Amino acid sequence: EDKVVQSPLSLVVHEGDTVTLNCSYEVTNFRSLLWYKQEKKAPTFLFMLTSSGIEKKSGRLSSILDKKELFSILNITATQTGDSAIYLCAVYNTNAGKSTFGDGTTLTVKP
Amino acid sequence: DVKVTQSSRYLVKRTGEKVFLECVQDMDHENMFWYRQDPGLGLRLIYFSYDVKMKEKGDIPEGYSVSREKKERFSLILESASTNQTSMYLCASSFPLGNQPQHFGDGTRLSIL
Repeated sequence: EDKVVQSPLSLVVHEGDTVTLNCSYEVTNFRSLLWYKQEKKAPTFLFMLTSSGIEKKSGRLSSILDKKELFSILNITATQTGDSAIYLCAVYNTNAGKSTFGDGTTLTVKP
Repeated sequence: DVKVTQSSRYLVKRTGEKVFLECVQDMDHENMFWYRQDPGLGLRLIYFSYDVKMKEKGDIPEGYSVSREKKERFSLILESASTNQTSMYLCASSFPLGNQPQHFGDGTRLSIL
């Protein structure tokens, strides 16, 4: 059975702090790992990672994948209150044709 | 921009009722998915579909069924609603292949009394 574990489950920081969110996985027939951000409503896509060691970056957010150690991290620098959200990690199993999601990390950024 | 529309934002039903949750996408996506989201349990896949009239069980299909008569529409059916089906339900769609992100609707918060 595919498994995705995110840590920490919740995190409270102050504006300006840097945070690192973790996602480890056990998935047969790995194809890709995706990060999503969920505020009040629909999760929205952040990054897709398929190759080890290649950093994806968007503004203050960045992510990298390690396929040997089976994990990914999502970094957010200079956090802002608007970064407060649930961050979801999902891994796609090619043979099963579906993604498995982790439980999410709830990030709260205080002013 | 991709739009995934779920028919209701909030829904209250009674135990034993048959409940229909509707989802429509406007991007001609082949794949569509239904998840439920509960605190501390992340997103759990109920059913998904690769094409019209095709359906596959996800991780927690018990108590649910689905219908996909048209490519753009994917319905989730609770055959006889129970209180343990009170949850947030999220619909998503995507192009095929594993390297395509899913696009989500805003969710339906369903309460079964």
